[in-house]
Amino acid sequence: NAGVTQTPKFQVLKTGQSMTLQCAQDMNHEYMSWYRQDPGMGLRLIHYSVGAGITDQGEVPNGYNVSRSTTEDFPLRLLSAAPSQTSVYFCASSYQPSNTEAFFGQGTRLTVV
Amino acid sequence: AQSVTQLDSHVSVSEGTPVLLRCNYSSSYSPSLFWYVQHPNKGLQLLLKYTSAATLVKGINGFEAEFKKSETSFHLTKPSAHMSDAAEYFCVVTIINTGTASKLTFGTGTRLQVTL
Repeated sequence: NAGVTQTPKFQVLKTGQSMTLQCAQDMNHEYMSWYRQDPGMGLRLIHYSVGAGITDQGEVPNGYNVSRSTTEDFPLRLLSAAPSQTSVYFCASSYQPSNTEAFFGQGTRLTVV
Repeated sequence: AQSVTQLDSHVSVSEGTPVLLRCNYSSSYSPSLFWYVQHPNKGLQLLLKYTSAATLVKGINGFEAEFKKSETSFHLTKPSAHMSDAAEYFCVVTIINTGTASKLTFGTGTRLQVTL
């Protein structure tokens, strides 16, 4: 049981480049979400999905796109990378969002230069 | 709206002494509350959760937390710190069954340092 798998673990981008952060879970969870972690700010919600075909914006969605074509996968796309998007990104999944444990991936450390 | 405040950004204790990490929350509805731990360069792991059952919640590795509605607090405690407890701890709040997708709201984190 792999849980939540994120790739890549590390990435360096140039300003203006685009890329996709991958997230996959094998627990058949309906709810998946992306967070960014910045020093002194905790984790902030970027986008989330309550099931295949359904996505919505979180607290800091600008500059990011998501899609959910399958239950297992929830990729995060950076459309045109900016230095302000330098952060550690975490994907999480849970059976329900409100009162069950969320399982987190190991994180992707992204640097935009 | 919901929010969570972790009152200390950094706590330092000696090994074998008690740990207290403080968390206050604000929620318009009945909250679910969680504590997560993050060891360096790792993902987050659930320590414990409160979901309207017993107000004293026991978690993994000897941690526990007490939900106090009158004080809107959910402080994390451990009787005796171990070196392996050194990590960052996040208090998290969400709300139950509002008819829309609930979201986790994270505190800014408390870094626990354990010294010999």
